[in-house]
Formats: sequence, structure tokens, C-alpha cells
Amino acid sequence: KAGVTQTPRYLIKTRGQQVTLSCSPISGHRSVSWYQQTPGQGLQFLFEYFSETQRNKGNFPGRFSGRQFSNSRSEMNVSTLELGDSALYLCASSLAGQGLNTEAFFGQGTRLTVV
Amino acid sequence: AQSVSQHNHHVILSEAASLELGCNYSYGGTVNLFWYVQYPGQHLQLLLKYFSGDPLVKGIKGFEAEFIKSKFSFNLRKPSVQWSDTAEYFCAVSPWDNAGNMLTFGGGTRLMVKP
Repeated sequence: KAGVTQTPRYLIKTRGQQVTLSCSPISGHRSVSWYQQTPGQGLQFLFEYFSETQRNKGNFPGRFSGRQFSNSRSEMNVSTLELGDSALYLCASSLAGQGLNTEAFFGQGTRLTVV
Repeated sequence: AQSVSQHNHHVILSEAASLELGCNYSYGGTVNLFWYVQYPGQHLQLLLKYFSGDPLVKGIKGFEAEFIKSKFSFNLRKPSVQWSDTAEYFCAVSPWDNAGNMLTFGGGTRLMVKP
């Protein structure tokens, strides 16, 4: 079955702009989480959505937001981009919260470069 | 809040050598434990997981890990590494009592296996 799909794979944006990243989870998965991966800070949890509701939130500023649609697809938005937002953004889906304690499956990520 | 420490940032081994990567976590409650691997140019993949039961868990590709509750540790082991094990390894935890999927990752260990 198809894995987690993230689009686009690569993005270059200018400081001050905003960006939207997309994630399609594995079919049947209703939990979608987002992570930021940088060389300095490693992998950090941004937020998690389940059934169109944000269920958990990490310690990121309000410029980072997300949403989830009824088909479980999720988008992440970063407004007023800063150079420090350059990172690999990973999406993960899982069956967590559907009566199962299970692992997250990760996508290939979107590489965002802010110039 | 939970935290995860991986003591070895870089490890270099020759093929057939044994591997042990350390992972310690800090959290006031029960956790689920994971080891993920990221091969060069590929997405994060689950190596193994621990939710409950036998503290010695076996994963893919000959990897195993032991959960020692008294030491808050979940060390990864492999008796004989191969060149194809060259990758970055991440230990992660999530709160057992959180219905969602919210992973806290360690800083990662880069393993290089010399042929």
C-alpha cells in the first residue's frame, strides 16, 4: 500500500513569505504529525492532527500552523518565513487513537530553504 | 516534558563488529519506546518498538533493544554489523497515556560501517 506522501519535495522561499506543505497519510490513518528536522536542533515535534482537530502541539511559535481535512490529508503553513525555518519538514501518519497503540510512518519530507 | 539522550553522536565500526547504541529518556510516566533509522537519502523507518511486555524486543535486520525501566534506558544492539547498516539512528519516546502520536527524539547517532 502507498506510504506517506509529502509535496513538494523541495521549496525555496524568500524571508517574509509564507509557505504551505502538504501531506497525504497512509490510507486508513487518521493521525498526522509534523516534525522539523535541522542539523542544530534535530527532530522536533510541531503538532499532531486527528480527525481534523489538533490533538497535540509542540513548542513552536504561532507562525507555524496546520490543518487536517476530512480525508485525513494535512497541510502545514509557515508564515513570515525566517532564515532559521530552513529545514526538512517531515510528516508522519499512524493509527494512534484508533484503539491501537502503534508506530508512526514517515514521509520523505519537504526540504524548505529560506533565502 | 520528556527528553531523550543519545550518548554517541558518531560511531565508526568495521564489518562484523558488534554494535550498542545508548538511549536514555527522562519522563515522569510510562512511555512507548522506538528506534528509527534513516539511511542516506531515505525516509525514517521503524527498526523496533516497545509498548509493554517482554523488555527485550527484536526488530528488523537483526536489531534488538532492551528496555531497562530502572535505568530509563532503551539501548539498541546488533551482534554483527554490515556495511549496509551505515545510517543515522534515532531513539524516540511517546507518552503512554497520550492517545496521540507525539514523539520526542534523541539527537541521533551516525553510524559508519567500514567494509
